[in-house]
Amino acid sequence: EIVMTQTPLSLSVTPGQPASISCKSSQSLLHNDGKTRLYWVLQRPGQSPQFLIYEVSNRFSGVPERFTGSGSGTDFTLKISRVEAEDVGIYYCMQNRQLWTFGQGTKVEVK
Amino acid sequence: EVHLVESGGGLVQPGGSLRLSCAASGFTFSRNWMNWVRQAPGKGPEWVGNINQDGSEEFYVDSVKGRFAISRDNGKNSLYLQMNSLRAEDTAVYYCVGRNYWGQGTLVTVSS
Repeated sequence: EIVMTQTPLSLSVTPGQPASISCKSSQSLLHNDGKTRLYWVLQRPGQSPQFLIYEVSNRFSGVPERFTGSGSGTDFTLKISRVEAEDVGIYYCMQNRQLWTFGQGTKVEVK
Repeated sequence: EVHLVESGGGLVQPGGSLRLSCAASGFTFSRNWMNWVRQAPGKGPEWVGNINQDGSEEFYVDSVKGRFAISRDNGKNSLYLQMNSLRAEDTAVYYCVGRNYWGQGTLVTVSS
């Protein structure tokens, strides 16, 4: 099983300031097809999870440009350039290189 | 617009069975892998399993192998999760996930 480890587990950010979440996988997420199978998922309070980013750095339709994913192999980062109130929630990294596994989640609060 | 609507959740006794359904619309259901993901109260998501486009391949997390079975009916744009020998630790909101969208979830509570 590929284990996903996120840091930090919680983050309190002033609106307009940047935020960064790290995710490390226990094995490389580079698939035979050349794609790296790393997603970022956001779960806002009281809502279903939603996908934000796929294959490390590609934003899904409707995801604001302030969200940027980067990384390769086993080390990945999600950055929010300027946090807004609507960004509150729990962020999970997720791999589907081998089945699916999720990180523990990073709770983002806005001060 | 993609819609995934789960149903069939409820309260069941340990050892019991339950069948969840997911009605899909807004995309070509028959061309997509479909997944079930669950989330226990206060916990993060846990992938349960998935099924390929024609239903010929299924994969499961170890904790549900032999107890849960995923199936689909492409003619009805529907996904199913048959859950047998339910345990207290299966208590969770169960989400249908496909085409990069999540449903709203259905709550399964296993308790006597």
